[in-house]
Amino acid sequence: AQKITQTQPGMFVQEKEAVTLDCTYDTSDQSYGLFWYKQPSSGEMIFLIYQGSYDEQNATEGRYSLNFQKARKSANLVISASQLGDSAMYFCAMREGVSGTYKYIFGTGTRLKVLA
Amino acid sequence: EAQVTQNPRYLITVTGKKLTVTCSQNMNHEYMSWYRQDPGLGLRQIYYSMNVEVTDKGDVPEGYKVSRKEKRNFPLILESPSPNQTSLYFCASSPGTGTPSYEQYFGPGTRLTVT
Repeated sequence: AQKITQTQPGMFVQEKEAVTLDCTYDTSDQSYGLFWYKQPSSGEMIFLIYQGSYDEQNATEGRYSLNFQKARKSANLVISASQLGDSAMYFCAMREGVSGTYKYIFGTGTRLKVLA
Repeated sequence: EAQVTQNPRYLITVTGKKLTVTCSQNMNHEYMSWYRQDPGLGLRQIYYSMNVEVTDKGDVPEGYKVSRKEKRNFPLILESPSPNQTSLYFCASSPGTGTPSYEQYFGPGTRLTVT
C-alpha cells in the first residue's frame, strides 16, 4: 500500500548547523512526486521543495535540498545553516497517479526545534 | 493576491447539525482537495477534484460530501457531524496536470469542534 513514513517525531538542531529530516515512501507507481511542506506554529502550510520520480538530480531550493535515493525509496530533507525561524513541523508528502487521478499522501510529520 | 480562502476559520457545532465549510481559489486551478489534520496522524486526504464535476474519494471520505460546480469553489459538507470529525481542515488547490511540480497551495485552515 502507498505510504509515507517519517520516523522522527521530534528533533533538535543547533542554530547554523545542518539537519536532515527522514522520509521513506512506498508506492507501486513508476511516476510520482515527492514534496516537503513546513507548518509553523501559526498553522499555515508552506511548500518547500519538490522532487519528481524521474528527476535524476536532487532538488534544491535555497537552504533546502532533497536527498532522493530512489532505490531505497527515501526522500530526506536537508536544511543547511539552520535558523530559529526553521522551528516548525515538517511534512513529507507524495503525489501518486500516472494520469487521471492525483491522490496525495502525507507523513505524520517531524517537529524541528532550532536552538540558539 | 493569489490565494485559497476558507470560511469559517473557526466553528463550534453540535452533533448532527449540518454544516458547510467553503473553499475558494482565485488562481484558476483545476485541482482542489480537502484534508483533515489530527495530532500524530499528519494530513489525510478526504476528497479531491480534478476539475468541475469531477470528484473522487481520498483516504478518509466517510461522513463528508463535496461538490465542484464551479472551478473556483469546492465546499466541504458534513451532513451529520459527529465528535470524531473534530479536527483542523485544510483546503488546497493545484494547477493540475499541466504543471510539473503539482505544488499545492493551502488555505489557512478551519478548526472545527463538534460537541
